[in-house]
Amino acid sequence: ETGVTQSPTHLIKTRGQQVTLRCSSQSGHNTVSWYQQALGQGPQFIFQYYREEENGRGNFPPRFSGLQFPNYSSELNVNALELDDSALYLCASSLGPSGKNEQFFGPGTRLTVL
Amino acid sequence: GQQLNQSPQSMFIQEGEDVSMNCTSSSIFNTWLWYKQDPGEGPVLLIALYKAGELTSNGRLTAQFGITRKDSFLNISASIPSDVGIYFCAGQINKGAQKLVFGQGTRLTINP
Repeated sequence: ETGVTQSPTHLIKTRGQQVTLRCSSQSGHNTVSWYQQALGQGPQFIFQYYREEENGRGNFPPRFSGLQFPNYSSELNVNALELDDSALYLCASSLGPSGKNEQFFGPGTRLTVL
Repeated sequence: GQQLNQSPQSMFIQEGEDVSMNCTSSSIFNTWLWYKQDPGEGPVLLIALYKAGELTSNGRLTAQFGITRKDSFLNISASIPSDVGIYFCAGQINKGAQKLVFGQGTRLTINP
């Protein structure tokens, strides 16, 4: 059974650019959540997708957007990058959006904005 | 937004010592979880707590869900070198999205 995978591993962008991060959920999982983890901090919830629809959103501006595909993989898009967007972006998948379903995290994508 | 206060921020202990860390919140959570994150990895779930007052063990780890649903602690007994890492508490409301609210983390360093 393959776990949650994310690509790319590392990425360097400049201010104002746009970025797309990708996540493949664990086999059988239909729910994907994205988190932003700044250096030295805990992860912060960005949004969740369930069966290709956004199922909840944290306190992030609209330039953070996402997609979920029919195979339940997901993308996180960030437009007009700012220096503060530099962080580790984590994707987590689960069997469903119920609170009793464990979220399994991928290794993350380290984004650096210069 | 919601925040969990986790303490201590860091711990330096000798191998074999017991460890205790805790987490408090101004908000009520229906579920408390404890994760461990190693360098270059995502967080891995250690223990999940679903009922106020619940005490749960996982090997050398023990965690409790506070009776007010606003706090939790994690104990590690007889620490070993592979316990090194960053430990996070997380709360979940279980309504709507499966949103986890994380603490700031406790960095555990073990001297052999």
